[in-house]
Amino acid sequence: EAGVAQSPRYKIIEKRQSVAFWCNPISGHATLYWYQQILGQGPKLLIQFQNNGVVDDSQLPKDRFSAERLKGVDSTLKIQPAKLEDSAVYLCASSPSPNREFYFGPGTRLLVL
Amino acid sequence: AQSVAQPEDQVNVAEGNPLTVKCTYSVSGNPYLFWYVQYPNRGLQFLLKYITGDNLVKGSYGFEAEFNKSQTSFHLKKPSALVSDSALYFCAVRDPSGGSYIPTFGRGTSLIVHP
Repeated sequence: EAGVAQSPRYKIIEKRQSVAFWCNPISGHATLYWYQQILGQGPKLLIQFQNNGVVDDSQLPKDRFSAERLKGVDSTLKIQPAKLEDSAVYLCASSPSPNREFYFGPGTRLLVL
Repeated sequence: AQSVAQPEDQVNVAEGNPLTVKCTYSVSGNPYLFWYVQYPNRGLQFLLKYITGDNLVKGSYGFEAEFNKSQTSFHLKKPSALVSDSALYFCAVRDPSGGSYIPTFGRGTSLIVHP
């Protein structure tokens, strides 16, 4: 079974630039999550999708972050404009259903200069 | 509200010795509890979970965890540590009575196994 795929693996941008991350969940997983993991901290949820609908985006900084999951499969997370404090690892996870364990992708490490 | 604490930033153990990584939680109802492991430059991998039933849960790579309701703890254990167990370990809790499917993760504990 293929795991959760994410790209790119690494990204370096300057502040005020925009960046986009892509995630392909495990086939058949209806639930998809984006997490932000700052160095030394546990993952923090940004947004949860159930199929192509948003379930929880209460912790997403909507003035600069956006996410979509077209057709209920792949998802993209965008930051525009980026700030220095956005430097983190962005993890995508999927789950067969909301009450099951998560399967995480390798993450995208973002450095904002 | 649900919360989880991992009181140790780092745990050091010699190879072959037993290891324990501590986790305590706070929920209003009965918790769902999870342990994940993160190897360098990798995403988190699921190790084990407690939903209901036997308080001792067995998971991947020889790890197990014991649910203790009176102490609100879910410590991760392994009888004999391997150098390859060195990684970052995260405890997570979800309170289904709160209506949320989102688990809260701890800050993580770095496990270092010395040869």
